[in-house]
Amino acid sequence: DQQVKQNSPSLSVQEGRISILNCDYTNSMFDYFLWYKKYPAEGPTFLISISSIKDKNEDGRFTVFLNKSAKHLSLHIVPSQPGDSAVYFCAASASGSSNTGKLIFGQGTTLQVKP
Amino acid sequence: DSGVTQTPKHLITATGQRVTLRCSPRSGDLSVYWYQQSLDQGLQFLIQYYNGEERAKGNILERFSAQQFPDLHSELNLSSLELGDSALYFCASSVATSGGSQYFGPGTRLLVL
Repeated sequence: DQQVKQNSPSLSVQEGRISILNCDYTNSMFDYFLWYKKYPAEGPTFLISISSIKDKNEDGRFTVFLNKSAKHLSLHIVPSQPGDSAVYFCAASASGSSNTGKLIFGQGTTLQVKP
Repeated sequence: DSGVTQTPKHLITATGQRVTLRCSPRSGDLSVYWYQQSLDQGLQFLIQYYNGEERAKGNILERFSAQQFPDLHSELNLSSLELGDSALYFCASSVATSGGSQYFGPGTRLLVL
């Protein structure tokens, strides 16, 4: 049972344009969501997070939007840069109900930003 | 650099053997998490320790065990290794037991031959 899904395995965008990565979840107990960026042979790098009490969080070029009613979140990268090319993972935790921070990850989306 | 260190970086061993992976969390972080990334399974949560106590267990095999020491470093022990245990093993740490962001180490690549 895939509780966190990233339905697009890959995404290609032109440098300078917006990249939008999507993530859907099924567990209504999830209350904290994170995005990670991963290069091959390296550990995931934390990008940005959002609590379920918010619907938007912004950090520089990265903005995460949360739609609780649709159980959907998205990561916007504006403007996209070639260095953003990597695999992006969405993750969720039900920290409030379980008192554990264990993360459930999506399968990842490979972003390619073309110069 | 996340501040989380893992050793060794690479490990090659044979089926039936036992290995120990080590993780040092970021300074000040009390929670340590272990995740496995295999080709077909993505990143899967294995186990969490908080300040020396086991906090949560995921899909961790009985052949695998972990512990967190008083200095907060953690070890993941994998025994009776099988070919299917070949994967990347990541450690992550966070300040609290729940909520908040987790910071990942560079991982240990395990190859079982």
